Amino acid sequence: KNEVEQSPQNLTAQEGEFITINCSYSVGISALHWLQQHPGGGIVSLFMLSSGKKKHGRLIATINIQEKHSSLHITASHPRDSAVYICAVGGGADGLTFGKGTHLIIQP
Amino acid sequence: EADIYQTPRYLVIGTGKKITLECSQTMGHDKMYWYQQDPGMELHLIHYSYGVNSTEKGDLSSESTVSRIRTEHFPLTLESARPSHTSQYLCASNGLDRYSGANVLTFGAGSRLTVL
Repeated sequence: KNEVEQSPQNLTAQEGEFITINCSYSVGISALHWLQQHPGGGIVSLFMLSSGKKKHGRLIATINIQEKHSSLHITASHPRDSAVYICAVGGGADGLTFGKGTHLIIQP
Repeated sequence: EADIYQTPRYLVIGTGKKITLECSQTMGHDKMYWYQQDPGMELHLIHYSYGVNSTEKGDLSSESTVSRIRTEHFPLTLESARPSHTSQYLCASNGLDRYSGANVLTFGAGSRLTVL
C-alpha cells in the first residue's frame, strides 16, 4: 500500500509570500493529484501530474518520479488561498491514497 | 456545471432509520469512491468500486453498504443510522476525460448527515 506524507501539516504565512507544500509517496504511481478544500467547502481538483511541471495562474505543481516527490507552489499568496491542500496518488489498478492535507492560512 | 451529483446535500434523521445517499456521475468513469470526512479532518475511504458489479470496503470500518449496478450510479446505504454516523460523506470518481484523455479526479459537493 502506498504511504503518502505531506508537509507541513500547518502553515501560516503573510500575504504575498511564496508558498511550498510537499508530498512524498512510497510506491511508484501513474498519477498524482493536488486538491483544494476551502473551510466548509467541497473538494476541487487543482492539478493532475504524471511527470514534469504544470502551471495554472499563481499555482505551480511539480513532480519528480524518481524521487517519488511532488511540490505545490503558490506565488504571490493571497488570503483567498487559505484552504486545505491535499495530495492524492494513484497507481493504475490500485485505488487512490490521500495525504492528510496541509492547512494553509494566509494572513492579510 | 457539476459532472458528479450527490443527493441529499443535507439530511437530519433519527437513530435506527435506513438511509441511502445517492451519487451519480456523467463522465463514464469506472472508478468511484465514498469518503467520510469530519470537519477539519482528513478523508477516510469507506467503499470503492472499479466498475459495474465491483465493490470493496475501504480502510474505515462502517455499517454501510454500496452497490454498482450501473457505471454512473454508486449509492451508499446505512441500514440503521446511529449518532456516530453523523459526518460529511463525499463521493468521487476517477478516470479518463473523454475529450482530452487526461486522468481526472472529481468530487461531489457532499452529503452532510446528522443522526439524532
